[in-house]
Amino acid sequence: AAGVIQSPRHLIKEKRETATLKCYPIPRHDTVYWYQQGPGQDPQFLISFYEKMQSDKGSIPDRFSAQQFSDYHSELNMSSLELGDSALYFCASRLKRKNEQFFGPGTRLTVL
Amino acid sequence: AQKITQTQPGMFVQEKEAVTLDCTYDTSDQSYGLFWYKQPSSGEMIFLIYQGSYDEQNATEGRYSLNFQKARKSANLVISASQLGDSAMYFCAMSVSGANNLFFGTGTRLTVIP
Repeated sequence: AAGVIQSPRHLIKEKRETATLKCYPIPRHDTVYWYQQGPGQDPQFLISFYEKMQSDKGSIPDRFSAQQFSDYHSELNMSSLELGDSALYFCASRLKRKNEQFFGPGTRLTVL
Repeated sequence: AQKITQTQPGMFVQEKEAVTLDCTYDTSDQSYGLFWYKQPSSGEMIFLIYQGSYDEQNATEGRYSLNFQKARKSANLVISASQLGDSAMYFCAMSVSGANNLFFGTGTRLTVIP
């Protein structure tokens, strides 16, 4: 079965640089979520989209923005990167009438 | 506000035995969902099992079952016949109706001993 695809899988950036993470949800899934998992931490919800509209917002810094495109893929844009942004970033997708959220493999971002 | 508590930072279990991972939750919402995810050392987050707040029967998925006790606000994960590949971090999570994003507990690291 098709799973959530995230790219890139690993990313190394310098402080103050920008990064763009991409997420391709499971086909026919209409809801996308972004989570950030710091080292040794539990995942924290950042933002979600339903049918290409932002549906909920969590602890997403103002330096970050996200959108969902017409083909349902989503991108998380991160600017003015800080050392503390080093984390594993997950995208998850869900079919709204179902409950289960399925996670992608994550993008490991390292900020030097 | 929603809160998930996992009080066992680490657990050990002998191969082929059963193990229970504890999870308690707190929410004022009447409609909510409870999830368990497995995170191996490779980092991916694997969905294991889901229980809705209105489900009367405990959820089961293969070797995984969720012991849902609504009055106690607990949603413990039971893994039967443990295998070496079960060694991982296990997260309990909750969503509430409307938002549906997940709130996670701090996780329990399970180690299966041969």
